[in-house]
Amino acid sequence: DIQLTQSPSFLSASVGDRVTITCRASQDIYSHLGWYQQKPGRAPKLLIYVASTLESGVPSRFSGSGSATEFTLTISSLQPEDFATYYCQQRNHYPLTFGGGTRVEI
Amino acid sequence: EVQLVESGGGSVQPGGSLRLSCVASGFPFSDRYMDWVRQAPGKGLEWVGRVRSKGDSYTTEYAASVKGRFTISRDDSENSLYLQMNSLKTEDTAIYYCTGAKSGNYHGYLGHWGQGTLVTVSS
Repeated sequence: DIQLTQSPSFLSASVGDRVTITCRASQDIYSHLGWYQQKPGRAPKLLIYVASTLESGVPSRFSGSGSATEFTLTISSLQPEDFATYYCQQRNHYPLTFGGGTRVEI
Repeated sequence: EVQLVESGGGSVQPGGSLRLSCVASGFPFSDRYMDWVRQAPGKGLEWVGRVRSKGDSYTTEYAASVKGRFTISRDDSENSLYLQMNSLKTEDTAIYYCTGAKSGNYHGYLGHWGQGTLVTVSS
């Protein structure tokens, strides 16, 4: 199985900060990576797919980059509604796998 | 508006069975691959498995942790997805999410999610 390692696992930030989350894959997954946001008590929501394509309706302050084994999710200016847990997910091989999550808090 | 509504969760003893259902609306269900994803209390996301569309012969994939115990099926006439869970273990305790994959070449990404249904396996 492809392992995805996210760092950091916890991040303390302030409104307006630029935030970067990293996801490293245990093998080359090309650009087959997505990012999800999950708020407490809610279902996850797809933010980005194919490493850098913004899902419809997602604010442009979110961006994704990377390929092969290293990927990043960047929030250019953190907003109050962005405090949540973020997960990466690979679709290059079954089983689909998720990273362990990065919790973004004030 | 896209909606995925799960039902069938509850408490069951180890070794027991449970069947989850999910009714979808607001998107072309029959064209989409459908997945189940679970989340144990306070933990991260774990993909459970997938059923492909009719065009791909309704074939399925499963996580190793559930293979041979869980079965995913669908009824396109009812816009419904199912998860039959047998031989349940305490470690199957989780919120189970019904998800709809994006279309075409992006079917590996889970674009639609239900609100989840809680399954508790305990004696």
